[in-house]
Amino acid sequence: EVQLVESGGGLVQPGRSLRLSCAASGFTFDDYAMHWVRQAPGKGLEWVSGINWNSGRKVYADSVKGRFTISRDNAKNSLDLQMNSLRAEDTAFYYCAKDMQSYGSGLFDYWGQGTPVTVSS
Amino acid sequence: EIVLTQSPGTLSLSPGERATLSCRASQSVSGSYLAWYQQKPGQAPRLLIYGASSRATGIPDRFSGSGSGTDFTLTISRLEPEDFAMYYCQQYGSSPGITFGPGTKVDIK
Repeated sequence: EVQLVESGGGLVQPGRSLRLSCAASGFTFDDYAMHWVRQAPGKGLEWVSGINWNSGRKVYADSVKGRFTISRDNAKNSLDLQMNSLRAEDTAFYYCAKDMQSYGSGLFDYWGQGTPVTVSS
Repeated sequence: EIVLTQSPGTLSLSPGERATLSCRASQSVSGSYLAWYQQKPGQAPRLLIYGASSRATGIPDRFSGSGSGTDFTLTISRLEPEDFAMYYCQQYGSSPGITFGPGTKVDIK
């Protein structure tokens, strides 16, 4: 059974940093690209960032480019999102999502339950 | 960036009725790389349809997708109680510009 478990969310002040993690199990992690998708309270879904199977390609939404960094550790079956210079508009539930392909098709067949991030003073 | 518009915003129907949800793109979606997700309150999204018309693993055949270019449709042939939820379309043909529509809420009339 595929499982994606996010952690690391919490309350953080504007301008500070936070690091999210996603622990994956139930599939061959290094066969697939992975992504982060967020959802602000009461709002829709917004793709944030993606990474291909070997970390050779990392892509970001314009809204987070230069502030967020995605990474993965295939030996540990884990995905991370380093979030710097956080803003109030980054407040959201952050989901880890598995891609259906290794290169990063952008199609998500499994999602974690999410971790909440609140940016407020 | 491809902008997706979904209509209606809310669809109020009774169990057993047919639901027709629309997703329109601001420009042609290459390769029909259009997906539909279902999300229930407090839960993560679930993939229903990809490639505009292919059902994901384990999705009942009452869910069907159609369309190409800029106009796409999700049809639920006969609504079951568990189908009342939020539905999002997503285009994934112009990575890294992956975008979602604003969603259609299907609620009980």
